[in-house]
Amino acid sequence: SQTIHQWPATLVQPVGSPLSLECTVEGTSNPNLYWYRQAAGRGLQLLFYSVGIGQISSEVPQNLSASRPQDRQFILSSKKLLLSDSGFYLCAWSVGQGNQPQHFGDGTRLSIL
Amino acid sequence: AQSVTQPDIHITVSEGASLELRCNYSYGATPYLFWYVQSPGQGLQLLLKYFSGDTLVQGIKGFEAEFKRSQSSFNLRKPSVHWSDAAEYFCAVGSGGYQKVTFGIGTKLQVIP
Repeated sequence: SQTIHQWPATLVQPVGSPLSLECTVEGTSNPNLYWYRQAAGRGLQLLFYSVGIGQISSEVPQNLSASRPQDRQFILSSKKLLLSDSGFYLCAWSVGQGNQPQHFGDGTRLSIL
Repeated sequence: AQSVTQPDIHITVSEGASLELRCNYSYGATPYLFWYVQSPGQGLQLLLKYFSGDTLVQGIKGFEAEFKRSQSSFNLRKPSVHWSDAAEYFCAVGSGGYQKVTFGIGTKLQVIP
């Protein structure tokens, strides 16, 4: 069966420090991969999606970037964190056509001090 | 552009009572519709999905949802709520292509004894 792993679960970082959040999927090939940020009362905001290795699409201009170095690995990064980058970050995967649902990891709680 | 409205931000029900969470969507074609549940500090878990066919969809944990095209709605229901159902519920609408999914802002369910 397919599984998705996100780490770390929680992270506290100072303003201006770099960031790397990792997400890996097991049990499937060539998944679509997504990074979301969730803020209280605002639902989920799609940050990046990827349909293949090295293919990244950005939905919202921001201080973050994403990379997909391997088929089932998706990384969210920043060179210098801002206070506004605090939030709950979720990785998700899906396969196939638009009628297939997305499946989520357990998320990373990022706090910027 | 597609959109989702969840008009109730917070709902409180008594254990054993019935539940209905409202969801209205906006999409030009036949939508792909989803309901997810999120426990505190966790990722989103898929409850059920609608693509076509029978407009009453059964999901996990005793939940069901009914697609009503004339009302652009996809309300989630459960006949008897358990304390463990306390969580946040998200309705989502998807389209084809890379599966861009738009999420509602969520409805937080509180269950009282």
